[in-house]
Amino acid sequence: DAKTTQPTSMDCAEGRAANLPCNHSTISGNEYVYWYRQIHSQGPQYIIHGLKNNETNEMASLIITEDRKSSTLILPHATLRDTAVYYCIVQTDSWGKLQFGAGTQVVVTP
Amino acid sequence: GAVVSQHPSRVICKSGTSVKIECRSLDFQATTMFWYRQFPKQSLMLMATSNEGSKATYEQGVEKDKFLINHASLTLSTLTVTSAHPEDSSFYICSAPVSDGHGYTFGSGTRLTVV
Repeated sequence: DAKTTQPTSMDCAEGRAANLPCNHSTISGNEYVYWYRQIHSQGPQYIIHGLKNNETNEMASLIITEDRKSSTLILPHATLRDTAVYYCIVQTDSWGKLQFGAGTQVVVTP
Repeated sequence: GAVVSQHPSRVICKSGTSVKIECRSLDFQATTMFWYRQFPKQSLMLMATSNEGSKATYEQGVEKDKFLINHASLTLSTLTVTSAHPEDSSFYICSAPVSDGHGYTFGSGTRLTVV
């Protein structure tokens, strides 16, 4: 599976949009981009995923560049509860091993 | 959505004893379960993959005789830390792939402290 690169940390003001970048320049055509987050001392939580098209759900939006080499997770109105480590992972849909990188520590401040 | 229930959430045990961690899929059948370990301020590290009815496969460097994994049914996978030592103290998390389009679902984790 392709590796990803994310910034180590990011601060965001409560109520503002948080834009989390992820580079996955070696992504293959059949690999999806998944985003998970882990709030301190909890198991990771699924946020969103996509293949080519931009996606939106009740939690976030995912913007994938046309060449699929990078993506951005958007939390439209960050709240204090969004403070967590966010992981960008590329994965096929064959349910293989899910390997986690270092992720981005997002801190939302009042 | 699909839920994996993990127990216990916290456990403290003495050095040399064994501890069993259970992960149950509540509303789906988990033919595969992944087990992770996470040390403070680090990312999740995959330890092993269990498949129902067959032997688990372990990642390089993970002792299979120390971390016993059993996946005897489609709804239950267990991880037993045998002869625990303080360096085994960690956060253990299980995960299973789901077919509802959400990739993988995770247990809530088990904080193991060996004293």
